Amino acid sequence: DAGVTQSPTHLIKTRGQQVTLRCSPKSGHDTVSWYQQALGQGPQFIFQYYEEEERQRGNFPDRFSGHQFPNYSSELNVNALLLGDSALYLCASSLNRREQYFGPGTRLTVT
Amino acid sequence: AQSVTQPDIHITVSEGASLELRCNYSYGATPYLFWYVQSPGQGLQLLLKYFSGDTLVQGIKGFEAEFKRSQSSFNLRKPSVHWSDAAEYFCAVGMHASGGSYIPTFGRGTSLIVHP
Repeated sequence: DAGVTQSPTHLIKTRGQQVTLRCSPKSGHDTVSWYQQALGQGPQFIFQYYEEEERQRGNFPDRFSGHQFPNYSSELNVNALLLGDSALYLCASSLNRREQYFGPGTRLTVT
Repeated sequence: AQSVTQPDIHITVSEGASLELRCNYSYGATPYLFWYVQSPGQGLQLLLKYFSGDTLVQGIKGFEAEFKRSQSSFNLRKPSVHWSDAAEYFCAVGMHASGGSYIPTFGRGTSLIVHP
């Protein structure tokens, strides 16, 4: 049974560019949440998708947007990248928006 | 607003020694509480959770945690630490959200160093 998978593992972008990160949930899960983890900090909640709609959102600007597909996989898009967006981006999946299982993350570096 | 405090940034123990990682939370209602572990370059793995009932919770890898409402604490313990336990540990409190879901708020983590 595959767990939560994320792609890519690492990527490097330049300020002002746009980036898309991808997440496939654990088999049987229908909810995907995204987190940003800066170096030396705990993860911070970005948003949660359920039934292809954004259901909850943390304190992140509109530059951060997402999507959930009918197969429950999800994308996180970040526009107009800033240096401060450099972080580990974690995806977590759950069933019926309950207990969350985390993927290994995507390390984003903005230069 | 809910918050989580992990007062110890680093903890160093010898292999075989006992461990206690501290966690204090602030939340107006009955909290959902979690401990996660993160190894270098890895995602977060759930060690244990408290939703209700028995305040002493058993988790994976020999860890346990005790919910103390009067102290707003949820400390993680292990009687004998193994070198493989060296990792970052995060405490989280889950905020009840719409539709029965919850959104965890994480502490900044405690780095566990294990000496042989």
